[in-house]
Amino acid sequence: ETGVTQTPRHLVMGMTNKKSLKCEQHLGHNAMYWYKQSAKKPLELMFVYNFKEQTENNSVPSRFSPECPNSSHLFLHLHTLQPEDSALYLCASSPLTGEEEKLFFGSGTQLSVL
Amino acid sequence: AQSVTQLDSHVSVSEGTPVLLRCNYSSSYSPSLFWYVQHPNKGLQLLLKYTSAATLVKGINGFEAEFKKSETSFHLTKPSAHMSDAAEYFCVVSDRNNQGGKLIFGQGTELSVKP
Repeated sequence: ETGVTQTPRHLVMGMTNKKSLKCEQHLGHNAMYWYKQSAKKPLELMFVYNFKEQTENNSVPSRFSPECPNSSHLFLHLHTLQPEDSALYLCASSPLTGEEEKLFFGSGTQLSVL
Repeated sequence: AQSVTQLDSHVSVSEGTPVLLRCNYSSSYSPSLFWYVQHPNKGLQLLLKYTSAATLVKGINGFEAEFKKSETSFHLTKPSAHMSDAAEYFCVVSDRNNQGGKLIFGQGTELSVKP
């Protein structure tokens, strides 16, 4: 609907697993973002990419590893997560960084870490 | 530094009655302000935005918000609630001069609409 597609919609993983979240946008945007939405907390910006280059890492633990092979695709690789990492992970895109008022969000991946 | 406070974590109204979701902000510079809505199992959708033009901003689905600098408020209103308005609403501030356009999200207000 929004032009930003996230897969999978739901993911359950153990603390020793390795999994990846995928985001794809069909809007021709050049900036992509990962946000974390925990229950009853404001959205937290995790990573920002502009023209495939990471421009921001908001002090995210190294067990989260982003990858942006091109301006249309963004991945979040997960390994040895903790139960407190359970949250909704939202991908977003905008024409450029600095134009966050033009953000389009995906529907998110609901992650549960057991 | 910028911040945004949504004064109610949960608001419940009856269908057909007015909606008021309150938001106060703090910003060192002229802010841009937004309201986003998130329906269950959906991503965030922009409802409306204020970017220093008219202080009364009209958005989608009959919502509007008024920027009041003297009160540092940007409350969201709708004259008559519909069942489909039940969702989580986020007030957001962006301080372009100071933060390069990064968004600061409030904690959200859950709106329930009773038949």
